[in-house]
Amino acid sequence: ETGVTQTPRHLVMGMTNKKSLKCEQHLGHNAMYWYKQSAKKPLELMFVYNFKEQTENNSVPSRFSPECPNSSHLFLHLHTLQPEDSALYLCASRGQFATNEKLFFGSGTQLSVL
Amino acid sequence: GDSVTQMEGPVTLSEEAFLTINCTYTATGYPSLFWYVQYPGEGLQLLLKATKADDKGSNKGFEATYRKETTSFHLEKGSVQVSDSAVYFCALSDQNTGNQFYFGTGTSLTVIP
Repeated sequence: ETGVTQTPRHLVMGMTNKKSLKCEQHLGHNAMYWYKQSAKKPLELMFVYNFKEQTENNSVPSRFSPECPNSSHLFLHLHTLQPEDSALYLCASRGQFATNEKLFFGSGTQLSVL
Repeated sequence: GDSVTQMEGPVTLSEEAFLTINCTYTATGYPSLFWYVQYPGEGLQLLLKATKADDKGSNKGFEATYRKETTSFHLEKGSVQVSDSAVYFCALSDQNTGNQFYFGTGTSLTVIP
């Protein structure tokens, strides 16, 4: 148990659906991340929030929309996704933005887009 | 830009065999280096880390030494167990790139009895 909780664990959606992924941490961390994990690819950093402010958006398509209402919660809103968006979406948090500070990961949401 | 390159898997070993998973990196600054492990159905968790040249990180029998001269951080274990079956990710965090993490592609390890 890492202290980072993601829901749902699995999600199947059609291309016209709208859904949201949720991430929650009560570790007192101020930085939260969304990563995309696809087979045989490096983890792709999607979004970073530091003290609730978005600090990174790595050219992610607008069909992915993040929201960070407070430093404990992070959402990823999904709409009109494509089949190639099927992947494991991982949330992570970090205590500080320091070089030697590790990331704490949730178990991920396995997303399938039909 | 910063990047991490790992040996491609999958790797299959017999129990008690010696493990090496190669990792090399490119960074503009003086990064910290990490190995993460992902067990089936779970997220990534930190296995070990090293924050400066010649540091050795170790945990659960795994070791990796930060080699600046060869820009490497190879993961080793002297005697693997079935429970070590997982995917292993090498990563770096570099102050020069805003302390963001860069991960390798992951190496899948299967240990057979």
